Amino acid sequence: KAGVTQTPRYLIKTRGQQVTLSCSPISGHRSVSWYQQTPGQGLQFLFEYFSETQRNKGNFPGRFSGRQFSNSRSEMNVSTLELGDSALYLCASSIDRATDTQYFGPGTRLTVL
Amino acid sequence: AQSVSQHNHHVILSEAASLELGCNYSYGGTVNLFWYVQYPGQHLQLLLKYFSGDPLVKGIKGFEAEFIKSKFSFNLRKPSVQWSDTAEYFCAVERTGGFKTIFGAGTRLFVKA
Repeated sequence: KAGVTQTPRYLIKTRGQQVTLSCSPISGHRSVSWYQQTPGQGLQFLFEYFSETQRNKGNFPGRFSGRQFSNSRSEMNVSTLELGDSALYLCASSIDRATDTQYFGPGTRLTVL
Repeated sequence: AQSVSQHNHHVILSEAASLELGCNYSYGGTVNLFWYVQYPGQHLQLLLKYFSGDPLVKGIKGFEAEFIKSKFSFNLRKPSVQWSDTAEYFCAVERTGGFKTIFGAGTRLFVKA
């Protein structure tokens, strides 16, 4: 069974640009969560989607948004990039977060110059 | 707001030594608790989880954790570490049904051969 895949794996952007990251969950998984990992703040929860509905979100500005498609694939978008958005963005999927384990992808390393 | 505190940021042990990593959380309601591990160059993966039932939880690779509700703690233990246990360990908590996982800052474990 293929694991969680994230594309692209590496990305370099400049301040003010926007970026879209993609996550393909494990087949059959309907829940997708996104996290930001930085050396200073650690792993922080961004949002969680289940069957195309956002069920919870973390404490991030409105520049961070996401969506989930009917095939459970998810995208997150960051607009007006800031230097502090440089991070590893992790996606995790599960059958249903209420009872199931999350499986993490390799992440997308975003560098903002 | 929920928070997770991991007591040690860096731990150095010799092979065969016993390991205990502390984790405390702040939330008064029902919670799900997790320990994740990130080996060098690998994805974040689940070591063990507690949803309900027996507070002593056994995970992969000989790890176990004990949930002590009165102390808001979920400490990770292993009786005898190996060099291959060198990794970063994260404690995480989520309010049951909240779909939002809060991670601790992580503990970097280095095991000397």
